[in-house]
Amino acid sequence: DTEVTQTPKHLVMGMTNKKSLKCEQHMGHRAMYWYKQKAKKPPELMFVYSYEKLSINESVPSRFSPECPNSSLLNLHLHALQPEDSALYLCASSQDRQIITEAFFGQGTRLTVV
Amino acid sequence: AQTVTQSQPEMSVQEAETVTLSCTYDTSESDYYLFWYKQPPSRQMILVIRQEAYKQQNATENRFSVNFQKAAKSFSLKISDSQLGDAAMYFCVEYNFNKFYFGSGTKLNVKP
Repeated sequence: DTEVTQTPKHLVMGMTNKKSLKCEQHMGHRAMYWYKQKAKKPPELMFVYSYEKLSINESVPSRFSPECPNSSLLNLHLHALQPEDSALYLCASSQDRQIITEAFFGQGTRLTVV
Repeated sequence: AQTVTQSQPEMSVQEAETVTLSCTYDTSESDYYLFWYKQPPSRQMILVIRQEAYKQQNATENRFSVNFQKAAKSFSLKISDSQLGDAAMYFCVEYNFNKFYFGSGTKLNVKP
C-alpha cells in the first residue's frame, strides 16, 4: 500500500463552520506534511509532523489547527476560515525526516469557503 | 530561504518528440535531494524522478532522465518519446532540513 488517502475530496464550508480534513497512510512513514495549493501555484508548506510531534509550523494562522493522533493519521482542523483560504489542501508523507526516498502525496481536499 | 526556479511557465512538445524542462536551485547545503513531480489535472502529485545530491550519476527512469549539474545548481528533466499522458504541471523540488521546496512549475502540453 503506497497510498496517502485524504478525505473528503471536496468540502464547502461557511466562515462560521468547524470542519476537519483527514489524511491517512499505512506505509510506516514517520514524517507527515500539510500543504496548501492555490490554483496554478506550487504547494506551500503549512505544517510538518515528525514522529507524531509538530516540528514545523510555517506561521500558519491559528484558524488552522493540525493534529497527529497516531503515526498513520494526520488531521487539519478548520475554524472561522476566510474565503481566501479556499484552496487545494494536500497531505504528504515520507519515510523519515532523515531518510528521504520520496514524498507520497494524497489527492487533496478541494476546500471552498463561502 | 531556499529557492527553486523554473524559468519556463509553459512548454509544448509534439508527441514522440523530446523536451527538456529547466530547473535551478539555490542551497548552501552539501546534502540534499532533488525531485521532479508531475501534477496532472487529476491533482495527484506523482513522483517522476529522484536524485541524491551526493550521487554524480544522473538518474534515469525509463523515458525520463535528468541532467544534474551540482556546481551550477542545475537540475533539468528530459522527457523522451513524449506521450499524451505526459501532459501535466511539472514541479522541480528540493528537499533539505525537513522541507520540500517547490519551484513555480512548468505546464507541459503534448500535441498529438
